[in-house]
Parts: sequence; structure tokens; C-alpha cells
Amino acid sequence: EAQVTQNPRYLITVTGKKLTVTCSQNMNHEYMSWYRQDPGLGLRQIYYSMNVEVTDKGDVPEGYKVSRKEKRNFPLILESPSPNQTSLYFCASRKTQPRDGANYGYTFGSGTRLTVV
Amino acid sequence: EDKVVQSPLSLVVHEGDTVTLNCSYEVTNFRSLLWYKQEKKAPTFLFMLTSSGIEKKSGRLSSILDKKELFSILNITATQTGDSAIYLCAVSSGGSNYKLTFGKGTLLTVNP
Repeated sequence: EAQVTQNPRYLITVTGKKLTVTCSQNMNHEYMSWYRQDPGLGLRQIYYSMNVEVTDKGDVPEGYKVSRKEKRNFPLILESPSPNQTSLYFCASRKTQPRDGANYGYTFGSGTRLTVV
Repeated sequence: EDKVVQSPLSLVVHEGDTVTLNCSYEVTNFRSLLWYKQEKKAPTFLFMLTSSGIEKKSGRLSSILDKKELFSILNITATQTGDSAIYLCAVSSGGSNYKLTFGKGTLLTVNP
């Protein structure tokens, strides 16, 4: 089944303790992206990657790192989490060059609900 | 900066009612507009619109895009309690980042 898999689904951690949220896709998509979703603010892009070893900042990158060593994986790293990073996180992927008429939208992972206390 | 505005932000209706959700946008190099439904987890794809005036339909849901006035509507007829969700509008723009810019969503509650 074509999918984007995120882990963990839920995580409660303490301020300053480094954590990684994993994301893996099995659709051979070039483009991957991380979003956070907060009440009243909607979905905002954190980082994106156009392909292996090509990453760049989105709209809200502060406090986050990413890496893209393999095409299928795009982990999100919080080196020193703070309470303002409590949020619902989504990983998403898509083909960079869809066929004509193909869907330009994303395939989303199931989300990771992170609480930083 | 790309901008997507949805209205209303929330809506409560009774089963059987018809609802219209609105989405307006300002983006550079527009590619497409997408509608998603989000229940308790990840957004799921509903429609993608690229051309003005062509209605997309799926069961009781339909959507249309007006590229001149820069907006789209999502209609749901004969609403059911299972339609209760957040409906997200997003715009795909060109450039080096194939990102989707999302609106804040419309929370639809359908009461029995």
C-alpha cells in the first residue's frame, strides 16, 4: 500500500531533550515536506526537500533540523525542544514532476502529536 | 507572500442541510487549488482544481474554481453527521518549493 509512515504517533517529552520524528514513504517521491498544525494557525511548512541531499527552510524552521540521506526517509529533528513546539506534525510527499493531469497534492502521514513540558 | 483565506471558520448545521465553504487566495504562479477533509488524523484528498468554471463532483460534494476572482467553493448537499470535519483549502504554487499553502480551515459540525 502506498503510504507515508510517521513515528511515533504520540510523544510527550521534556524541554531540552533531543528527539527525532521519523518519516518514510514507499512511493519513490522526490519531494518531501514537514508541516506543523496549530489551532487558529492552520498547517505551516517547516522544512522541505526536493530530493536526496537537497533540503531547505519553509515558513517556520526555527528550532528544527532535517536530513535527506535516502530518498524514502526524511526525519525531523528537534535538538532542544521547547514548549512552543508542542503541536501536531505531519510529513507529506509528492512527485516533483507529476504527469499531466495528475494530482499536485500531497500524500500525508498519519501525524505525530508532540507535547513538550 | 502566498495567502489562502477560508470562511467561515466554523459552521454548525443539521443533517440534511446544504453547506457552502469558501476559499479565496492570493498566490504567485498559481498551479492548482486543492480541498482536503481532516477528521481526527491526516488530511485526505477531496478535489484538485486547475481550470475555472469546471465543476468537480464526488457524490454529495462538489467544488468549482474561479481564477479571475481568485476563489473556490466547496458544496456539500444533504449533509450527514459523517461530514463533520475540518475542511482545508490549499493552493499549489510554482517556483522552487512545490509547497502547498493552506488556509486555516473550516470546522463543520453536522448535528443529527
